[in-house]
Amino acid sequence: GAVVSQHPSWVICKSGTSVKIECRSLDFQATTMFWYRQFPKQSLMLMATSNEGSKATYEQGVEKDKFLINHASLTLSTLTVTSAHPEDSSFYICSANGGTSGRAAGELFFGEGSRLTVL
Amino acid sequence: AQSVTQLGSHVSVSEGALVLLRCNYSSSVPPYLFWYVQYPNQGLQLLLKYTSAATLVKGINGFEAEFKKSETSFHLTKPSAHMSDAAEYFCAVSPGGYQKVTFGTGTKLQVIP
Repeated sequence: GAVVSQHPSWVICKSGTSVKIECRSLDFQATTMFWYRQFPKQSLMLMATSNEGSKATYEQGVEKDKFLINHASLTLSTLTVTSAHPEDSSFYICSANGGTSGRAAGELFFGEGSRLTVL
Repeated sequence: AQSVTQLGSHVSVSEGALVLLRCNYSSSVPPYLFWYVQYPNQGLQLLLKYTSAATLVKGINGFEAEFKKSETSFHLTKPSAHMSDAAEYFCAVSPGGYQKVTFGTGTKLQVIP
């Protein structure tokens, strides 16, 4: 089936640095991707909707200057956590909409997740 | 607006026993409903989905769920639990078209040998 890949799976960084997480749709074009955050033992919280070629739409309470999203192509969206702090430590998961045509049409696929630890 | 409520954050069953994970939804439009499974430190895997076709939906690994509009429910069942079913299960809803998906708080399933 269609695959969404996230990289890196694990990342540890120092407080104050920026971290970029990539989300790729490997065998289909994703006009829309979604970024979620999951705290330990909690559910997934939608952070933003990423549309190819346009600005991301952020959910209420999510700092857009903190969590920069770029959807530069139909197969790649990136989430950059800027000036990361320990409270940004979390599991970040992306999902991609398979669009309205093609093999992946009408489906939503999730990446494997990226665990960020900020020291 | 849409939301899902999962009853029971932890469920324990014996191996071979029936699995029943409860989910109730709220949606202002006809919903799409999903069940996902998550193993530790991994992403989500789709178990099954309801998209306004048959109300009884069969998924992978022997799971099924029934959409009951009158009860606004979409409970997940499996006749016989296996040790490998131990994981966290999330019910989710979207307004259709696989757009913005809202997740429940999750139910951790423990299978006792």
